[in-house]
Amino acid sequence: GENVEQHPSTLSVQEGDSAVIKCTYSDSASNYFPWYKQELGKRPQLIIDIRSNVGEKKDQRIAVTLNKTAKHFSLHITETQPEDSAVYFCAATDKLIFGTGTRLQVFP
Amino acid sequence: EPEVTQTPSHQVTQMGQEVILRCVPISNHLYFYWYRQILGQKVEFLVSFYNNEISEKSEIFDDQFSVERPDGSNFTLKIRSTKLEDSAMYFCASSDAEFRTPLHFGNGTRLTVT
Repeated sequence: GENVEQHPSTLSVQEGDSAVIKCTYSDSASNYFPWYKQELGKRPQLIIDIRSNVGEKKDQRIAVTLNKTAKHFSLHITETQPEDSAVYFCAATDKLIFGTGTRLQVFP
Repeated sequence: EPEVTQTPSHQVTQMGQEVILRCVPISNHLYFYWYRQILGQKVEFLVSFYNNEISEKSEIFDDQFSVERPDGSNFTLKIRSTKLEDSAMYFCASSDAEFRTPLHFGNGTRLTVT
């Protein structure tokens, strides 16, 4: 079945630095790749998504890049802020198979 | 902004008991989902539901699980005979299309099986 691997599992950065989280997927038919942010004890919330017909998408400080040939996609957060601290999940396929999550900590 | 609502927020039950988790999806959405998240782990797909039938289910969704849309607004997950390992946060989600569309998650029900 579909498998989504996510790295790193934890990421600590200083406020203002950039953070990059990477995911790889196994199903070459996957064509939808969302990223969700989950704050402690809360529901996952979509922060950005990308479809397979584009290679990059940006929304303010957040960007996602997709390499369909290599079957990996990445989340880039620039100018990180303490409120970016959360667990971030990537997902692939239409059933949304989630990655294992990355706990991002942004230190002031 | 419309939201997916789930009740109860926390359910405590004894092993072997039946539980029903309830969800009200966003009103114009047609696709419904249940996910499970064991504490500290990733969100796992359980089942998807469309047009009053299951469209897909995972290996986790075995015979002890069932879903139902008893009326025009509710979407329920029933666990017939709970086990300790069923303790988790259960998220309901809905979407307005089947493919390549964001899911809207509810706030979840924390199920504790003792």
